[in-house]
Amino acid sequence: DAGITQSPRHKVTETGTPVTLRCHQTENHRYMYWYRQDPGHGLRLIHYSYGVKDTDKGEVSDGYSVSRSKTEDFLLTLESATSSQTSVYFCAITPAGTDTQYFGPGTRLTVL
Amino acid sequence: TQLLEQSPQFLSIQEGENLTVYCNSSSVFSSLQWYRQEPGEGPVLLVTVVTGGEVKKLKRLTFQFGDARKDSSLHITAAQPGDTGLYLCAVKSGTYKYIFGTGTRLKVLA
Repeated sequence: DAGITQSPRHKVTETGTPVTLRCHQTENHRYMYWYRQDPGHGLRLIHYSYGVKDTDKGEVSDGYSVSRSKTEDFLLTLESATSSQTSVYFCAITPAGTDTQYFGPGTRLTVL
Repeated sequence: TQLLEQSPQFLSIQEGENLTVYCNSSSVFSSLQWYRQEPGEGPVLLVTVVTGGEVKKLKRLTFQFGDARKDSSLHITAAQPGDTGLYLCAVKSGTYKYIFGTGTRLKVLA
């Protein structure tokens, strides 16, 4: 257990509304990641962070933004949710000096 | 184009059977990881292989990294219902990023 929590765990929202997902970690890890998981696609990287205020885009970043104002929290925002963003979202951390990713429990988002 | 292709996509077998799943790419990697994900949870690392031709065993699971470091296989001997889950391979891409395969969803029937 790497002390990762995600909130909310489930959310249903409507097209066009803003949504923010939160990833919280308790062990001061520098590297944090947001992935989405869809059938047939495995896990796809949305954004990642390598420190406070240091973030970069992954392979499927369009329509998403992130913020990291403190080490323990990494926020993923959908400015205007679309049905194509219906997915399960996972947060992950990688302890410095390792290549092991530890994942949170996931957030299931449904956009109607 | 997916960098890591896994096969088969789905596999349903009876308890006690053996199986092999594959992770293939046209690129060469310095290392490759296998994760297992159970329903409703995040993936959990099973093993990392780093040397071409390397074989690692984890109880009934045998992992092999291809000689050319472009592919890997996972063999399960005498599968049990507890092996049910989604198996993902992954590689590191650049300094910070990771790329995951498409996944093999395994169901072991009692």
